[in-house]
Amino acid sequence: QITLRESGPTLVKPTQTLTLTCTFSGFSLSTSGVGVGWIRQPPGKALEWLAVIYWDDDERCSPSLKNRLTITKDTSKNQVVLAMTNMDPVDTATYYCAHNTYYLGNNHFDYWGQGTLVTVSS
Amino acid sequence: SSELTQDPAVSVALGQTVRITCQGDSLRTYYASWYQQKPGQAPVLVIYGRNNRPSGIPDRFSGSSSGNTASLTITGAQAEDEADYYCNSRDFSANHGFGGGTKLTVL
Repeated sequence: QITLRESGPTLVKPTQTLTLTCTFSGFSLSTSGVGVGWIRQPPGKALEWLAVIYWDDDERCSPSLKNRLTITKDTSKNQVVLAMTNMDPVDTATYYCAHNTYYLGNNHFDYWGQGTLVTVSS
Repeated sequence: SSELTQDPAVSVALGQTVRITCQGDSLRTYYASWYQQKPGQAPVLVIYGRNNRPSGIPDRFSGSSSGNTASLTITGAQAEDEADYYCNSRDFSANHGFGGGTKLTVL
């Protein structure tokens, strides 16, 4: 049974760096075709894809946020970490991590964490 | 990231069929996946690939694609299908993107 859980601060100040950890179980990030992604959702707004990292260490970040995002994995700890620099109130959102299945050039997010609300405020 | 466009809102009478669409250039090459999100809950995958349903998703949900448009069809909509629906796909740079979401109302 695959589970994912996001953890990190619920409140950050403007200009600070947000670091979120996704701790998962039920799969290995060293298995071919597996990835873990981050998606966020501001209150009342749409989902926004942020980043994904794959079993083969390939990683992709949203072009609009690329300069602010870093995604890393620790396979031995079953964790994926997302860092976002220079936080702003507009970054207030629920942040989700999700298991990604990659096959034949397509992928989908088939298991999601419950999400963690991060508020950016001084 | 992948640029995907959805209608903001759609309504359907109880028991009728509704189609929710998603448009984007990347859909000519890559499949869309579809997610259902109810208030206060995380999204749930309902359709992926050509037309695949994860375990536990009712068979009234189906997917299709033509040209630059992917569609999610609910045949015989139920009250519990009222939710926000999002499409997702990758683009040619292997970046992802979500559509703006469609709010489905079941009348």
